[in-house]
Amino acid sequence: DAGVTQSPTHLIKTRGQQVTLRCSPKSGHDTVSWYQQALGQGPQFIFQYYEEEERQRGNFPDRFSGHQFPNYSSELNVNALLLGDSALYLCASSFLAGARHNEQFFGPGTRLTVL
Amino acid sequence: GNSVTQMEGPVTLSEEAFLTINCTYTATGYPSLFWYVQYPGEGLQLLLKATKADDKGSNKGFEATYRKETTSFHLEKGSVQVSDSAVYFCALSDRTGGGNKLTFGTGTQLKVEL
Repeated sequence: DAGVTQSPTHLIKTRGQQVTLRCSPKSGHDTVSWYQQALGQGPQFIFQYYEEEERQRGNFPDRFSGHQFPNYSSELNVNALLLGDSALYLCASSFLAGARHNEQFFGPGTRLTVL
Repeated sequence: GNSVTQMEGPVTLSEEAFLTINCTYTATGYPSLFWYVQYPGEGLQLLLKATKADDKGSNKGFEATYRKETTSFHLEKGSVQVSDSAVYFCALSDRTGGGNKLTFGTGTQLKVEL
C-alpha cells in the first residue's frame, strides 16, 4: 500500500516565479492538507481540500492556492515567490468522513528554495 | 485560536535514560492530541494519539496521557535509544469548521548519545 507521495523532492526557483507542487494521497483517503515547515519550526497549516473544494484555510495569502482532482490528488500553487517562501512543503492525507478523529499521514515533503 | 507549546530543545540524553518532553495546549472544544516524529530529511510520522480526556496513547515504548485538567500531553519513554534521536512535535486537531487541520508546536529535538 503506497503511502502519501509528493513531487518533486527538491525545487529551486527565483523570486517572482510561480511553482506547482503535487501530492497523491494514501489509498482510501479523501482529504488532502498542505503544510509549510520553515527551518527549525513546526508545520503551519496552509489549507485542506475535501470533495475538490477548499474546506479550511490557514493564515496564508492568496498567492497560495490549490486544487484537488477527482482521484483525490492535489496541487499546491504559489505565485510571485518570495524569499520567505523557502521551506519544506508537506502534504498530508486523511479520511475525513466517518470517525471523528482521523489522523493525518504525511508525505516526505518538497523542499522549495527561493533565490 | 488553538495553540501548542512544547519545551525547547535540544534535549540531550544518554542511552537508556528516561525521557520527558512537555507539551501543553490551548483549544476550544475537545481536541484530539498527537505526537509526531521527524527523522532527519524525512516527513512526519505519527507516533501516538489520544482522542479524549484520560486516554493514554502508546507506541514503541513512548507514552502520553491526555490531561484535560492541566491541558497537557507530555511524552515519556522509560529507556531511550540512539535510534530515537529525532525531532518530536506535539499537535492538536479539532473538527471546528468540519475539517481536521493540525496545529503543531515548534518541535523538540532529542539527541541520544551512547
